[in-house]
Amino acid sequence: KAGVTQTPRYLIKTRGQQVTLSCSPISGHRSVSWYQQTPGQGLQFLFEYFSETQRNKGNFPGRFSGRQFSNSRSEMNVSTLELGDSALYLCASSLAPSGINQDEQYFGPGTRLTVT
Amino acid sequence: SQQGEEDPQALSIQEGENATMNCSYKTSINNLQWYRQNSGRGLVHLILIRSNEREKHSGRLRVTLDTSKKSSSLLITASRAADTASYFCAAAAYSGAGSYQLTFGKGTKLSVIP
Repeated sequence: KAGVTQTPRYLIKTRGQQVTLSCSPISGHRSVSWYQQTPGQGLQFLFEYFSETQRNKGNFPGRFSGRQFSNSRSEMNVSTLELGDSALYLCASSLAPSGINQDEQYFGPGTRLTVT
Repeated sequence: SQQGEEDPQALSIQEGENATMNCSYKTSINNLQWYRQNSGRGLVHLILIRSNEREKHSGRLRVTLDTSKKSSSLLITASRAADTASYFCAAAAYSGAGSYQLTFGKGTKLSVIP
């Protein structure tokens, strides 16, 4: 089985721009979660989608949004980029929603976003 | 806020020694998971321990969970240079409306010297 794939792997954007990141989960996985990882804050949960519905949302401003398609692929969008949005954005997939039924999450390699 | 807090933040040991990392969390959990991350890449799931379990083994890994102290520990025995990575605990806690959320700690950076 192919693993979780994320595109693009690296991205450089300018303050004020917007960006869309994509995540393709493992085949058969219906849950996709997004995390932001920075040296200062560590891994922070952004949101989780299951069967095209947002189940959970972390404590991030409304500039961060996401969606999931019927094939379980997910995208996250960040509008009006700020310097502090520079981070590694990780996507993870699982069969069931995170935490429940002891399902582990499978992570993609991440998208490294640099905002200048 | 961070649910899991790892201790120590960094650990350096010689190959063949054992490495112990600790994790504390704040609320009641459904399960606690440990992940490994190599140098800014994606995380790899290592082991999951449920709230009603006290100890679990997987190869050279041993995890303990003490729900009364809200803490867990990860022991890696007979460490190898390839174990060099950052290790994260992730607490799965109920977040409402039938949903659970994984909250990660900031990690322990393990260096195994050949």
